[in-house]
Amino acid sequence: EPEVTQTPSHQVTQMGQEVILRCVPISNHLYFYWYRQILGQKVEFLVSFYNNEISEKSEIFDDQFSVERPDGSNFTLKIRSTKLEDSAMYFCASSDFRLSGELFFGEGSRLTVL
Amino acid sequence: RKEVEQDPGPFNVPEGATVAFNCTYSNSASQSFFWYRQDCRKEPKLLMSVYSSGNEDGRFTAQLNRASQYISLLIRDSKLSDSATYLCVVNNNNDMRFGAGTRLTVKP
Repeated sequence: EPEVTQTPSHQVTQMGQEVILRCVPISNHLYFYWYRQILGQKVEFLVSFYNNEISEKSEIFDDQFSVERPDGSNFTLKIRSTKLEDSAMYFCASSDFRLSGELFFGEGSRLTVL
Repeated sequence: RKEVEQDPGPFNVPEGATVAFNCTYSNSASQSFFWYRQDCRKEPKLLMSVYSSGNEDGRFTAQLNRASQYISLLIRDSKLSDSATYLCVVNNNNDMRFGAGTRLTVKP
């Protein structure tokens, strides 16, 4: 069964460092998303991406964040100058809304900022 | 008003109980609706879509009331394995927004 894969599964970084989280969405999907979940809190929308551009972004997704689809398979989230409050689980998801509308999530990348 | 609002929970029920979760959404133009399940420290996974006429999948029944902007999930004969957080998800133009989730614990 096709799945969304994310790397790394866990990253520890120092405050102020840049982090890149990588995702490989399901190959025939057209819509890609990043969500984050701070421990014990809700799943928060960050950004959606379609047709090689951002289609929606939340107020959380400020200039510190950027997304890129550098090739036909990877979808990356870059966090510049990480802050302590960026510590969270970051989930990538993809969907082909022409079919079921279901979001398929990766297992997440846990980011710990020290 | 929050975009997607759910019962805060937690719900602690005995095995075999029936439990219902509610969810309201603020955007009347929302097109599709889902219930997801999230186990502790895991990714959310689709439990079921919610259709206008209501739909059932085994012990799970989902209802949608567009006029009241309200979605529900009913779990009958709850099992220990149903213990999880249940997330209401609302789609508006491919923008999928999550409720805060309702935590369910089923006890022996």
